[in-house]
Amino acid sequence: DAGVIQSPRHEVTEMGQEVTLRCKPISGHNSLFWYRQTMMRGLELLIYFNNNVPIDDSGMPEDRFSAKMPNASFSTLKIQPSEPRDSAVYFCASTRFENTEAFFGQGTRLTVV
Amino acid sequence: GENVEQHPSTLSVQEGDSAVIKCTYSDSASNYFPWYKQELGKGPQLIIDIRSNVGEKKDQRIAVTLNKTAKHFSLHITETQPEDSAVYFCAASEMKTSYDKVIFGPGTSLSVIP
Repeated sequence: DAGVIQSPRHEVTEMGQEVTLRCKPISGHNSLFWYRQTMMRGLELLIYFNNNVPIDDSGMPEDRFSAKMPNASFSTLKIQPSEPRDSAVYFCASTRFENTEAFFGQGTRLTVV
Repeated sequence: GENVEQHPSTLSVQEGDSAVIKCTYSDSASNYFPWYKQELGKGPQLIIDIRSNVGEKKDQRIAVTLNKTAKHFSLHITETQPEDSAVYFCAASEMKTSYDKVIFGPGTSLSVIP
């Protein structure tokens, strides 16, 4: 398996624009997590899904952030409108039900100017 | 909710020496404690984990210890090598099912000096 695949790897956008980050979890994994990493706040859990259903979105910073998982092989994290303080590395991770190890993607480095 | 603290934030050791990273957690219900290593430009990767029914676990040069009473757990790396240089994260979770939240500590940047 190719592992968790995130796209794009880098994104530079202007303040106010919509940004969509994409994630393809490992085949057969049924839980998916979105994390944000910054120097100030470390790794923050934004939202996680189990069997495509959002379980806990209490980490989503505000209404500008939304996440979807329309099927078992794809998830998106959308920021609309984006702001400079959203600049961070966003990671997607997936786990298999019987296994507790979380497999992380390479991350998307987002820069909002 | 769970809160995980981690010390030190940065650590430099000479190659061949040992490195120790310590973490504390707040939720007594937490029963799963993984450690992740993040190399530059990559996502975190699990290196070892320990469950609450075990006090110590070892895998080659890496060992973890857990003190549930004190809510402390530690990562020990012996005979450090330059490739051990990375950011290390401890984490804690009440792992009833695979999709329970894993809360990460702030990370320790380890530098191994050749």
